[in-house]
Amino acid sequence: AQKITQTQPGMFVQEKEAVTLDCTYDTSDQSYGLFWYKQPSSGEMIFLIYQGSYDEQNATEGRYSLNFQKARKSANLVISASQLGDSAMYFCAMREGAYSGYALNFGKGTSLLVTP
Amino acid sequence: ETGVTQTPRHLVMGMTNKKSLKCEQHLGHNAMYWYKQSAKKPLELMFVYSLEERVENNSVPSRFSPECPNSSHLFLHLHTLQPEDSALYLCASSPQGLVSTDTQYFGPGTRLTVL
Repeated sequence: AQKITQTQPGMFVQEKEAVTLDCTYDTSDQSYGLFWYKQPSSGEMIFLIYQGSYDEQNATEGRYSLNFQKARKSANLVISASQLGDSAMYFCAMREGAYSGYALNFGKGTSLLVTP
Repeated sequence: ETGVTQTPRHLVMGMTNKKSLKCEQHLGHNAMYWYKQSAKKPLELMFVYSLEERVENNSVPSRFSPECPNSSHLFLHLHTLQPEDSALYLCASSPQGLVSTDTQYFGPGTRLTVL
């Protein structure tokens, strides 16, 4: 069963507007971490933001914020004031507890295009 | 150099060739990873090293052989590959390894084409 689901294969947003990228996850662990990465066409996977399962407040990093709804198992990424350089693939990933191995489980990604 | 570096960035090889991918991390991390990213598939974890010891091997064919001589360097030795092995190979490192808070930092990847 897929652990991370990203239902939006592609998204468009106009420059300076905000955009939300959806992510739902599936785990029975109490302790887990949720991550978002950005992958430009160059290929590098760039870490954006982290949310721990026990964190009570939503994580924020500059223009990125994570809308964490634990009961719904949802971890959406919000990008405020989009810039042209934000055009890339965005991946949601989850790391489960210590006894679940080392893997980051990635979703299939959302392609974001920022238009002028 | 900072972060995680990978060489070469692009590699084209025949099915009978032997080549190696190199990864180096300058972050003082204890764990290193190899991932494979194929078109239209999620990233797949291949190997994990923690403190230079291989701790995870996700049913990867033996034509891929990892090596971790020290905590800063990771290699992926390739031999007799198949065309379906063409993919982006990403190296990552993380501070600790086996905790859910551990953030993995990735290199730029090696784009491999097998003819």
